[in-house]
Formats: sequence, C-alpha cells, structure tokens
Amino acid sequence: EVQLVESGGGLVQPGGSLRLSCAASGFTFNSYEMNWVRQAPGKGPEWVSYISADGRTIYYADSVKGRFTISRDSAENSLYLQMNSLRGEDTAVYYCARNLWLTTGAFDIWGQGTMVTVSS
Amino acid sequence: QSALTQPASVSGSPGQSITISCTGTSSNVGSYHFVSWYQQHPGKGPKLMIYEASRRPSGVSNRFSGSKSGNTASLTISGLQAEDEADYYCCAYGGSRTYVVFGGGTKLTVL
Repeated sequence: EVQLVESGGGLVQPGGSLRLSCAASGFTFNSYEMNWVRQAPGKGPEWVSYISADGRTIYYADSVKGRFTISRDSAENSLYLQMNSLRGEDTAVYYCARNLWLTTGAFDIWGQGTMVTVSS
Repeated sequence: QSALTQPASVSGSPGQSITISCTGTSSNVGSYHFVSWYQQHPGKGPKLMIYEASRRPSGVSNRFSGSKSGNTASLTISGLQAEDEADYYCCAYGGSRTYVVFGGGTKLTVL
C-alpha cells in the first residue's frame, strides 16, 4: 500500500524549533518529487516547500523562507522539515504530499498530517 | 486572502450538477495548464480529484470534470451524491518561484 506517515508535531513556544518527519512506503521514494503542505485550523491548504526527486532543487513559500529547511533521505525513504524561529501563524496541520508522476503541482498521495501548535 | 478566488459555498440537490469556479491571474491559472482540484471531508486529508485542469486520476469518478479558460478554472460535479458533500480546493502552478498556490475553498452542500 502506498503510504505517507508524518510524525514530530507538537506544542512549541514561539521562537522554538521542531523537526517533522514523513515515512514513505509502498513506492519508489527516490523517484518522486515531494512537498510539505500545511493547513491552519478552519483554513485552506497552504503549500510550504518542494524538493525534487534527487534533492537538488528546492523551493519554499515566502512565509517560511529562511526559517524552514526541507530535506530527504533515500536510504531511509523519508522526508523531513526542520522548522526554526516558529511563530503563531505557523500553527497548522502539516502534511507531506507526493507529486503525481510526470506532471507538475498535483499531489496524489497525502499523509494523515501532524499537528504543530506554536503557543506560549 | 488566497491567491486563487473561489466561492465560499455552493449547493445542489442529489442528481443535479454544480460548478465551482477558481479565478487566478495571468501568472498562474492563465499561464499554465497545471491546475488541480482537491476534495476534503471533515477531519481528513485532501484527495486529488482533477489535475492538469481536466484530467482525472485513476479511481476518481467520471462525474467529476474540470476545465480552464483564461484566468479561470472550473470543477463540475454531475449527478450529485450525498458523499460529494465536502470542501473543494483549487490549486495552480505559478512558476518555480511560487510553485503552487491554493484557493480559499468552497463548501459543497448536498441538499
């Protein structure tokens, strides 16, 4: 079964850090582009970051640029998001999402999400 | 404020058809055919329903169809069913700098 499972969310104080992980299974992880997408409570999704299949191309939303770092480990079949200098507006469910094969900007597999709450 | 504009809500009766619009700009919807649509039920993650403006992933009902004209994309659901009641989000590619942007979402109510 094709699956993405996120972990690492939790409650953190403003200015703090968290590292999210996403374990992939059921497909050839190192052949797919991957993303992090977040969704604040009651709001629509917001794309956060993209990483190419080989890890050489990375994009970030302006709202997280300079604070978040995306990475991947093909040996571990895992995607990561290092989040620093967290703010209240970063509070959201964070999903990892796989790019649909041979197209752009369409996410065909999503994890169940991990909740990040930034509050004092 | 979202980069893509969707109506906040639409409704329809079982068996009817509805259309949800998604208005972007010449920098995203108007420039690329990489528009996708997602269905999200409460407490669940989004599900891809349409990609490249009008293509359906394997397993998605042919009651769902998409189109694009100029800066506006549309999702049409025909033969409405109770299980179609959900939030729907459009998403458009805007070039490598912005990658993708999402719409604010449309709540579909099946009467």
